[in-house]
Amino acid sequence: DAKTTQPPSMDCAEGRAANLPCNHSTISGNEYVYWYRQIHSQGPQYIIHGLKNNETNEMASLIITEDRKSSTLILPHATLRDTAVYYCIVRLSLNRDDKIIFGKGTRLHILP
Amino acid sequence: DGGITQSPKYLFRKEGQNVTLSCEQNLNHDAMYWYRQDPGQGLRLIYYSQIVNDFQKGDIAEGYSVSREKKESFPLTVTSAQKNPTAFYLCASSIRGGLDTEAFFGQGTRLTVV
Repeated sequence: DAKTTQPPSMDCAEGRAANLPCNHSTISGNEYVYWYRQIHSQGPQYIIHGLKNNETNEMASLIITEDRKSSTLILPHATLRDTAVYYCIVRLSLNRDDKIIFGKGTRLHILP
Repeated sequence: DGGITQSPKYLFRKEGQNVTLSCEQNLNHDAMYWYRQDPGQGLRLIYYSQIVNDFQKGDIAEGYSVSREKKESFPLTVTSAQKNPTAFYLCASSIRGGLDTEAFFGQGTRLTVV
């Protein structure tokens, strides 16, 4: 079973920031939080990941709460091309049984 | 360019036939994964392999088989025992043993069984 919980869908106006929440209350100390997105009929694309600190790259920002039980992916200026399903995953790649389990994700609709 | 390649993109087979989906990567990744995706659903793990000549069942392995004879290749066979094989199949690879590393995905194979 996936170790994360996400809302099934969200809307965001084009040009505004899209904030996608994820709960991972059972995350263990060494597990990282990863975000991927999947545009229709394509393979998932890596966005960002983090352990404890907030992270930012050219695509997005990741805010992880201090207790690490939840996180938020922020797309600062959403465009129509950001319409996709966004998956939040927790994973420890050092684990010999590293399975990368996906949940159902959040379907993000960017509204013109 | 380095990457992960799935072929073919679309595949049609008659019911009762086995079919093998190809997945090749030139990223020198140790770990490889196969997922199945049904319309409007998330990805479900079929099989995964952390090293050559070793693989483990995922959550929905029944009716599927894999091999990992080479590091760069992880073919998936959909057997006639799979009751509902029509789906979108995705392959992924990842570095194994690192503290943090993303998985790279192929563009998928859409299998239709008629």
